[in-house]
Amino acid sequence: GAVVSQHPSWVICKSGTSVKIECRSLDFQATTMFWYRQFPKQSLMLMATSNEGSKATYEQGVEKDKFLINHASLTLSTLTVTSAHPEDSSFYICSARGAGVGYEQYFGPGTRLTVT
Amino acid sequence: AQKITQTQPGMFVQEKEAVTLDCTYDTSDPSYGLFWYKQPSSGEMIFLIYQGSYDQQNATEGRYSLNFQKARKSANLVISASQLGDSAMYFCAMRDWGGSQGNLIFGKGTKLSVKP
Repeated sequence: GAVVSQHPSWVICKSGTSVKIECRSLDFQATTMFWYRQFPKQSLMLMATSNEGSKATYEQGVEKDKFLINHASLTLSTLTVTSAHPEDSSFYICSARGAGVGYEQYFGPGTRLTVT
Repeated sequence: AQKITQTQPGMFVQEKEAVTLDCTYDTSDPSYGLFWYKQPSSGEMIFLIYQGSYDQQNATEGRYSLNFQKARKSANLVISASQLGDSAMYFCAMRDWGGSQGNLIFGKGTKLSVKP
């Protein structure tokens, strides 16, 4: 099946700094990418959806200025958590859907962010 | 609004036995897709099975089958011959094809524990 990678797999940063998470589709063109957030023992909550070359659509309650999403190419989307705070500590998962992969939505392995 | 309900926070099953994980959904759109994902402790989301709302037959993938009862709006996952490696969180999800982005909406999940 199609493969989606995320980098880094885990990151620890200090409060106030920014962190960038990369999501790549390795063997298909991802026309749409999704970013989810998952707190411990909870479900995945959609943060935003991005289409290649256009601005991301954010879900209600998600601060677009804090969570910057860039989908610059058909294989790469980035999520930047700006001015991170301890409450931003979470598991961030990207997912991609695109041409040639039918109805499936492929998930990256996730990035565990810890803000100290 | 679309909604996915998983009423079983946790389930136990004896190794080699079958187990059913419940999922009900709510949508007013006649066109939708239902998914099941497995999330082991490592965090990756593993696609298991898909059922389209117009599919005439219940989906099956190896030891996984989906008991799709459209009138009852239920899409239960059946795992046959449980294995220790099946211990994980299981999420039911729905995509509304009527939506512009076709986002996946997830249930709260069921934690399955397989006993030796």
